[in-house]
Amino acid sequence: GESVGLHLPTLSVQEGDNSIINCAYSNSASDYFIWYKQESGKGPQFIIDIRSNMDKRQGQRVTVLLNKTVKHLSLQIAATQPGDSAVYFCAENAGGTSYGKLTFGQGTILTVHP
Amino acid sequence: GAGVSQSPSNKVTEKGKDVELRCDPISGHTALYWYRQRLGQGLEFLIYFQGNSAPDKSGLPSDRFSAERTGESVSTLTIQRTQQEDSAVYLCASSLGGTSGAGELFFGEGSRLTVL
Repeated sequence: GESVGLHLPTLSVQEGDNSIINCAYSNSASDYFIWYKQESGKGPQFIIDIRSNMDKRQGQRVTVLLNKTVKHLSLQIAATQPGDSAVYFCAENAGGTSYGKLTFGQGTILTVHP
Repeated sequence: GAGVSQSPSNKVTEKGKDVELRCDPISGHTALYWYRQRLGQGLEFLIYFQGNSAPDKSGLPSDRFSAERTGESVSTLTIQRTQQEDSAVYLCASSLGGTSGAGELFFGEGSRLTVL
């Protein structure tokens, strides 16, 4: 899971394995959640999103799970590849007019070994 | 270009000087956001522009920070009397706005600001 401070959680996996990255969010009023991927020296890149009326959403090789009871979000990456190595951020939005006004978690570093 | 463009990519300044950071959003994107990212941390929301509406400035950390946007085009983030704690990467993002694909922000590569 994600934590406060400079020591980001890390996850190391072998190429081909499945990866699961976890996130605990804070605002029970949040109704929209997003995962972003950030490679070194680049801006974050959108991966997948989910609204609070869903508990699961699938994309290409990625699945997001939402458990509103315990305010937990996870990102599953199937058949992880070296190109998936990056920092992954979860973000939440409490709705209203500013849907892109997001609160980001601290990030998890994913390292994929060939 | 096709993506969000930011300049300068790197800026080193002395404490007390003013800096301006520029963002060119994706053409047709009505919403524009500024975020700040300190080393090893997540992004902090600063300000949001949507069309001709009044901007949401709720994330600006002090009155030394301001931003402007010309119509649905270029935005400038200005930091006056810079302090060392302002050192960070400043990221601009744009989106289509509204609720469709609401969280799908398209980020630039950021402007890295170092205040000596």
